[in-house]
Amino acid sequence: AQSVTQLGSHVSVSEGALVLLRCNYSSSVPPYLFWYVQYPNQGLQLLLKYTTGATLVKGINGFEAEFKKSETSFHLTKPSAHMSDAAEYFCAVTRSGGSYIPTFGRGTSLIVHP
Amino acid sequence: NAGVTQTPKFRVLKTGQSMTLLCAQDMNHEYMYWYRQDPGMGLRLIHYSVGEGTTAKGEVPDGYNVSRLKKQNFLLGLESAAPSQTSVYFCASTTPAGTNQPQHFGDGTRLSIL
Repeated sequence: AQSVTQLGSHVSVSEGALVLLRCNYSSSVPPYLFWYVQYPNQGLQLLLKYTTGATLVKGINGFEAEFKKSETSFHLTKPSAHMSDAAEYFCAVTRSGGSYIPTFGRGTSLIVHP
Repeated sequence: NAGVTQTPKFRVLKTGQSMTLLCAQDMNHEYMYWYRQDPGMGLRLIHYSVGEGTTAKGEVPDGYNVSRLKKQNFLLGLESAAPSQTSVYFCASTTPAGTNQPQHFGDGTRLSIL
C-alpha cells in the first residue's frame, strides 16, 4: 500500500520569497514520485518527477524537488516565487511493478502576495 | 497536438437527468481514467480502463458507468444525476511503458446538478 500526505492545504508567500511545498509518502518498495500543477480552470500538468538516479530533480518554471529516502519526503521548492506560480499543487506516488493507479495527495494551494 | 480533450467543458443538469461525458486522447495511450475533484478532497478515481473494451471500478464508482469501445475514447455516464455529483470531472491517460510515466490530463468538465 502507498499513501501521500501534503502538509498544509494552503501556503501563502510573498512574491520573491522561497516556496516550499511539503510531500511525504509511504511505500513498501522504492517509489516513483511526481509533482503536478493545476492552474485555475485547467487540468493537471506534470511539473517534475523522480524515478531513479539523481535525487534532486529539476522541473519546469524553476521548480525542483529532492527525494529523501530516509525522510520519505519529496518536497517541492522554488527560490523566488512569482505571481504566476499561484496554483494548486499535487504530489503523487506510484511504484515499480505496481498498478498504474497513482496515489495523489489532497493538494496544496499556493497563494502569492505582491 | 491536442493531447486529452474533454467535452463538454460545462454543463448544468437537473436532478434525475442523464448525460455522457466524452474523453478523447490522441497519444495512443492504453490506460485511461476518470476522476472527480471536489474542494478539499483532492482527486478521487471513479473508473479506469487498461485497454479497449475493459473497465474497472475506482474509489467512488457509484452512480457512474463507463465504456471504452475505442482505444482513444473513454465515456463517463451519469444515468440519473444527483446533486452530490456536482463536481469537476477530469479525464487522464497514460502509457503502460512503466509506472514511472506521468498521467496526461484534460482541462475538465464542470458539472452542476440542480
